Amino acid sequence: EPEVTQTPSHQVTQMGQEVILRCVPISNHLYFYWYRQILGQKVEFLVSFYNNEISEKSEIFDDQFSVERPDGSNFTLKIRSTKLEDSAMYFCASSQGATGGQPQHFGDGTRLSIL
Amino acid sequence: GNSVTQMEGPVTLSEEAFLTINCTYTATGYPSLFWYVQYPGEGLQLLLKATKADDKGSNKGFEATYRKETTSFHLEKGSVQVSDSAVYFCALSPRRADGLTFGKGTHLIIQP
Repeated sequence: EPEVTQTPSHQVTQMGQEVILRCVPISNHLYFYWYRQILGQKVEFLVSFYNNEISEKSEIFDDQFSVERPDGSNFTLKIRSTKLEDSAMYFCASSQGATGGQPQHFGDGTRLSIL
Repeated sequence: GNSVTQMEGPVTLSEEAFLTINCTYTATGYPSLFWYVQYPGEGLQLLLKATKADDKGSNKGFEATYRKETTSFHLEKGSVQVSDSAVYFCALSPRRADGLTFGKGTHLIIQP
């Protein structure tokens, strides 16, 4: 069964540095998403991406964050000037159609630790 | 705004017990509802879904019915197994929005 893959599984970065989290969505999916889960808290929506542009973003997704689909397969989340509170599990997801009845398929996540 | 409330965990049951994990939601319009499961060290996996009122989602012996009148989507299983031990997340998606809104998750522990 096709799956969403995320790399790396664990990223350790010094505070203030930039980090790029990578995702390869399922190949025939058109909608891509990033979520984060701070330890012990809810999974929170960050951003959705469709047709090479941001479709929706939450209030968490401020100027510190950006997303890109640099080629036909990868989908990346860039976090600039990382802060301690950016430490979290980041999940990528993809779906065939817009969420409504189309389920989102999640990767195993990247654990980001900011020191 | 949209929100999902789940029963707090951990929920500890013996094998073959009946399981109910409560989920209620607040949303505008008619959202789709989902249950996701997260096994230790893994990502979120879709367990089941329902897209309209009175729909019943089912998978792997788990069931949940979309109850609009009570704004609920409770997860049930008649006889749990040790392998069902995981964290279960209830989630919703409004029709005209992309992002899923998740509950806090319920940690289920099944003892042999």
